[in-house]
Amino acid sequence: SQTIHQWPATLVQPVGSPLSLECTVEGTSNPNLYWYRQAAGRGLQLLFYSVGIGQISSEVPQNLSASRPQDRQFILSSKKLLLSDSGFYLCAGRRDVRGYTFGSGTRLTVV
Amino acid sequence: AQTVTQSQPEMSVQEAETVTLSCTYDTSENNYYLFWYKQPPSRQMILVIRQEAYKQQNATENRFSVNFQKAAKSFSLKISDSQLGDTAMYFCAFLDTGTASKLTFGTGTRLQVTL
Repeated sequence: SQTIHQWPATLVQPVGSPLSLECTVEGTSNPNLYWYRQAAGRGLQLLFYSVGIGQISSEVPQNLSASRPQDRQFILSSKKLLLSDSGFYLCAGRRDVRGYTFGSGTRLTVV
Repeated sequence: AQTVTQSQPEMSVQEAETVTLSCTYDTSENNYYLFWYKQPPSRQMILVIRQEAYKQQNATENRFSVNFQKAAKSFSLKISDSQLGDTAMYFCAFLDTGTASKLTFGTGTRLQVTL
C-alpha cells in the first residue's frame, strides 16, 4: 500500500522568507505526485503535479515552485513567501484507479 | 477542464437520521471516476466512497451510498443513520483517466451531526 509522509505539520514563516516543504512516498514506485493548497474554509486547489523524476506541471501561476529530484520525493518551494501563501498544503500520490493517498498536511502561516 | 460543484456549503442532521449531500460535475470525458472524501477537524483526507463512471450500479459502503446519474452529471452522497463522528467537511471529487490523473475537488460541504 502507498503511504505519503509530509512534514512539517505546522510552520510559521515571516513574509519574504524561503519555504521548503517535503513529501516522500512509501510503498510504490514511479507514482504520480501532487501538491494541493486549501485556503481557510475552501476546497482544494491543485498547484503542481509530477508524473516522473524532473517532470513538473504547474496548474496555477504563483509564487511557488515544485521539484521532484527523486522518484519518491516531491518538494514545494518558494524563494520569498507572501501573506497570500498561507494555507493548508497537502501532498498526494495516485495509488491506482482507486484514487489518491494523501499526506497529513502542513499548515503554513505567513506573518 | 473538469469542474465540480457542491451547492450546499453547510448542512446539519440529527443523529440517526439520513442526509444527502449534492454534487454535480461537468466533463466531456466518458470514462472517469468520482469520489467522496471526508475531512474531519484533523484535516486528514479520508476516502468515503468511489464510483466508476462505466458502472451503472450505485456504489455503497456500509452507511454511505451514492446516487450516480451519469446523463445528468450528478453524484450525490447519502449518509444513513448519521453518527456524531460523521461531522466533517465532505468533498466531491472527479478523477480523469489521462496520464496526469488529476483529481478535481468541489468546494466542500460542512456537515454537522447533532444530538
